[in-house]
Amino acid sequence: DGGITQSPKYLFRKEGQNVTLSCEQNLNHDAMYWYRQDPGQGLRLIYYSQIVNDFQKGDIAEGYSVSREKKESFPLTVTSAQKNPTAFYLCASSIMVASEAFFGQGTRLTVV
Amino acid sequence: AQTVTQSQPEMSVQEAETVTLSCTYDTSENNYYLFWYKQPPSRQMILVIRQEAYKQQNATENRFSVNFQKAAKSFSLKISDSQLGDTAMYFCAFMKHVMTRSNSPSVIGDVNNNDMRFGAGTRLTVKP
Repeated sequence: DGGITQSPKYLFRKEGQNVTLSCEQNLNHDAMYWYRQDPGQGLRLIYYSQIVNDFQKGDIAEGYSVSREKKESFPLTVTSAQKNPTAFYLCASSIMVASEAFFGQGTRLTVV
Repeated sequence: AQTVTQSQPEMSVQEAETVTLSCTYDTSENNYYLFWYKQPPSRQMILVIRQEAYKQQNATENRFSVNFQKAAKSFSLKISDSQLGDTAMYFCAFMKHVMTRSNSPSVIGDVNNNDMRFGAGTRLTVKP
């Protein structure tokens, strides 16, 4: 079945460590996005990529990094520079010409 | 950057009645798309309805319809005959559609720059 997969569903990280969240899609979509969701703040855009080997910063990119080496994959690294990383992270994809985004099921990251 | 505002943090409605959720946005673009997404307790984001800015006709999907007022930059969602399964967070989203120069040296020319921005959401509760 075609879809977008995020893993893991729950992730725990020790303070000061980097961690990478996985996002894979087999929808043949060109565009991919990473959002952070905190209570009462909706979804905030971290990074997005319209095409392989190209990505743009969103509103809250500080402390995060991404890569887009393959069309299917858009991993997000939460670095130790991110001061408040505990949140729910959502990955999405859409076809190149603007259309609705399809979302993964999310990853809940908790810093312990 | 574009902003999306949902001024109603929480709303409730009786089953079978109608409710309208508000959304306003701010942009200088002329070519863009608007969406309503639903997020039930499972946290899976589900597309409810979409509207192209160049279309004057309001979009409808079964019990869901929008009132798109381009000049006022308003995009409200009306849910008719509310059902218990409609209980969820509802997010309004804006996607611009412009071409910009790519930052990547391996990409020649312009690419679509269609990032999607969301409002803070409205928590809707349908009461039996």
